[in-house]
Amino acid sequence: EAQVTQNPRYLITVTGKKLTVTCSQNMNHEYMSWYRQDPGLGLRQIYYSMNVEVTDKGDVPEGYKVSRKEKRNFPLILESPSPNQTSLYFCASSFARDWENIQYFGAGTRLSVL
Amino acid sequence: AQKVTQVQTEISVVEKEDVTLDCVYETRDTTYYLFWYKQPPSGELVFLIRRNSFDEQNEISGRYSWNFQKSTSSFNFTITASQVVDSAVYFCALRSGNMLTFGGGTRLMVKP
Repeated sequence: EAQVTQNPRYLITVTGKKLTVTCSQNMNHEYMSWYRQDPGLGLRQIYYSMNVEVTDKGDVPEGYKVSRKEKRNFPLILESPSPNQTSLYFCASSFARDWENIQYFGAGTRLSVL
Repeated sequence: AQKVTQVQTEISVVEKEDVTLDCVYETRDTTYYLFWYKQPPSGELVFLIRRNSFDEQNEISGRYSWNFQKSTSSFNFTITASQVVDSAVYFCALRSGNMLTFGGGTRLMVKP
């Protein structure tokens, strides 16, 4: 089954404790992306990757890191989480060839930073 | 910079009513793609439709229809004869270049 898998689905942590949210896709997609969803703001792009070892900032990259060492994986790293990073996070992937391609989303990770 | 605006933050209707969700976008690119996604209470994002900037033909899919008008930079979504299962947050999105930009979402509540 084609899917984008995020883990964990729920996470509660404390300020300053490094964490990683994993994202994996099995569709051989080149393009992967991370978004955060906040009430009234919709989804905002954090980082995206056009292919292995190619990453770029989205609209709200501050406080986040990503890496793309393998095509299927695109982890989101919070080196020192802060309460303003409490949010719902989505990973997405698509083929990069054409911009009309649909992005497939993971189920989301709800993060609370205390 | 590109922008997507959904001015309706919440809409409440009674079942069987028709409802239109508005979406207005801004971009300097001549080639772009527009999307609608649905987010039901369970939280996942479900793709509904895409439209490219060269295709202004309206589309109907069952009870759903979309009206794309380049002249007004709008891509509105209508649900005919709404049902309780249509209750969700609906997002309009614009893809231009490497970025996908979402509107703030419209929460639709359909009451029985």
